[in-house]
Amino acid sequence: GAGVSQSPSNKVTEKGKDVELRCDPISGHTALYWYRQSLGQGLEFLIYFQGNSAPDKSGLPSDRFSAERTGGSVSTLTIQRTQQEDSAVYLCASSLAGTQIGEQYFGPGTRLTVT
Amino acid sequence: TQLLEQSPQFLSIQEGENLTVYCNSSSVFSSLQWYRQEPGEGPVLLVTVVTGGEVKKLKRLTFQFGDARKDSSLHITAAQPGDTGLYLCAGVTDSWGKFQFGAGTQVVVTP
Repeated sequence: GAGVSQSPSNKVTEKGKDVELRCDPISGHTALYWYRQSLGQGLEFLIYFQGNSAPDKSGLPSDRFSAERTGGSVSTLTIQRTQQEDSAVYLCASSLAGTQIGEQYFGPGTRLTVT
Repeated sequence: TQLLEQSPQFLSIQEGENLTVYCNSSSVFSSLQWYRQEPGEGPVLLVTVVTGGEVKKLKRLTFQFGDARKDSSLHITAAQPGDTGLYLCAGVTDSWGKFQFGAGTQVVVTP
């Protein structure tokens, strides 16, 4: 079956522009996560959606970052007024349920470069 | 400050050698996972450990969860170039299911 997909795979944008990153989770997965990864580093948690519950936004670095998940499926991460420090790989993952042992399946990521 | 500390940060070894990667924390985890990530790809789950003291084997990889569920180790026997990658540990501390990731250990196995 299809895995987690993300688009675009690469995005180059000018400082100050807004960008939207898309994530299509595995069908039926109720939990969806966004992470940010700088070159050679671990994953920085951004936001977590679980079913119809209010998302956990505690990892969003500033109010320029926001995310939505429509219909419990597709999610969009929006970065407004991008800055050079926003350059990173943005990874999306989904899991069957947000349980304590839920296995996460990752997409290939979107590489964002802010010039 | 990382909730999960991984060590070493970087490891370069020859094919056939053994290696161990560590993941430590002062927090207790309800579960802990190990992932491997290759360049340009997302992390891929290797194993999930849940019970303190648990040992799981996956071919040449052995994973151990500490008795107190605060730490874990990954041991690779007779490493091969295909084992090259960034190894990440991730733990869950709350019932909400949010994962905390370590910074990763970059492993390079040369022929």
